[in-house]
Amino acid sequence: SQKIEQNSEALNIQEGKTATLTCNYTNYSPAYLQWYRQDPGRGPVFLLLIRENEKEKRKERLKVTFDTTLKQSLFHITASQPADSATYLCALASSGAGSYQLTFGKGTKLSVIP
Amino acid sequence: KAGVTQTPRYLIKTRGQQVTLSCSPISGHRSVSWYQQTPGQGLQFLFEYFSETQRNKGNFPGRFSGRQFSNSRSEMNVSTLELGDSALYLCASSLEGGSSPLHFGNGTRLTVT
Repeated sequence: SQKIEQNSEALNIQEGKTATLTCNYTNYSPAYLQWYRQDPGRGPVFLLLIRENEKEKRKERLKVTFDTTLKQSLFHITASQPADSATYLCALASSGAGSYQLTFGKGTKLSVIP
Repeated sequence: KAGVTQTPRYLIKTRGQQVTLSCSPISGHRSVSWYQQTPGQGLQFLFEYFSETQRNKGNFPGRFSGRQFSNSRSEMNVSTLELGDSALYLCASSLEGGSSPLHFGNGTRLTVT
């Protein structure tokens, strides 16, 4: 069956360090993958999209890699700050009847400790 | 530009009742998707509407239904509520669906007692 796993439910990291979050999937052939951030009591906010033919994408302090052989995406936040503390969700797009359907992982709660 | 607006923000219902949730997408967005979020299951896809037509549907029972109006506003309805329907219901809009990023509202917190 199809499965998306995010490496851990929670990750604690010291301010200034690089946070690395993992998203592994099985039995998918995703066309693309997205990462979202969710703060308590709020809806997820889109961060980055990476397509199956792209290896890496960057946006400011954020970097995403996508390895379709390993079936894995890594999400990096460099020079992490307490304001980066949130839950991060990966989402895979697979084709549905009429368009792509996004399936989300359960998320990793990141805490950046000052 | 105004974001995605969901109403009501909180709702308490009893088992057996039905409920209707509303979503106003970002102006110009034609695709509206609905998700259920619970601590145990995470975000689960309910359905997607595009130009008033349901384009995709997740694995939820027929008690969950939705519709989209000509102005792209969307509603979802849950009939014969069960305790397990207690969740955060999130609506997301995007320009065309497909690979377009989703813009989420802040959800409706439904509690079934």
